[in-house]
Amino acid sequence: AQSVTQPDIHITVSEGASLELRCNYSYGATPYLFWYVQSPGQGLQLLLKYFSGDTLVQGIKGFEAEFKRSQSSFNLRKPSVHWSDAAEYFCAVSGNDMRFGAGTRLTVKP
Amino acid sequence: DADVTQTPRNRITKTGKRIMLECSQTKGHDRMYWYRQDPGLGLRLIYYSFDVKDINKGEISDGYSVSRQAQAKFSLSLESAIPNQTALYFCATSAPGVSGYTFGSGTRLTVV
Repeated sequence: AQSVTQPDIHITVSEGASLELRCNYSYGATPYLFWYVQSPGQGLQLLLKYFSGDTLVQGIKGFEAEFKRSQSSFNLRKPSVHWSDAAEYFCAVSGNDMRFGAGTRLTVKP
Repeated sequence: DADVTQTPRNRITKTGKRIMLECSQTKGHDRMYWYRQDPGLGLRLIYYSFDVKDINKGEISDGYSVSRQAQAKFSLSLESAIPNQTALYFCATSAPGVSGYTFGSGTRLTVV
């Protein structure tokens, strides 16, 4: 079955700084990859997804992610973080069902 | 109204009690899922259903059962709740094929 590893449990960045959240996946076929965000007390919201084609995908809220097959990675980036980006971020890979990583909690310093 | 509605939002129950968590969706999708979320473990799949007559076990189905009453309704039951089932439970739905999921707001269950 497919699996996802998010190596960073918690990341702190200053407001206005750039952000990169790491995600590595394991899947035997062409992966379908997703990033979700969860604000405190909320459900998960889809940020972006990769199915095929251009390996750099754009999402909502100014986020983007790059698929690198050779590294089995799908890292999430944002050029300038806002205080409202503080949340937990989950990477996921889909086969018959969707499997999630353990999540990375983002703290934004003023 | 929310696309995916979960009830109750919060529940405290005693060990050994039977409890049902309910989920309904207005997306018109055939596929529905139940996940639990635990700190540091992310979301783990409990059960999923691709249509009313199709029910499948996920990663952690032991101690749980589900019922797909209609296309729009998918309930999760704990037949005899135990404290390590204390968690945040999410229902989700998706369109056929590979697509993103729409999640409910979650049910926080505490078993004492």
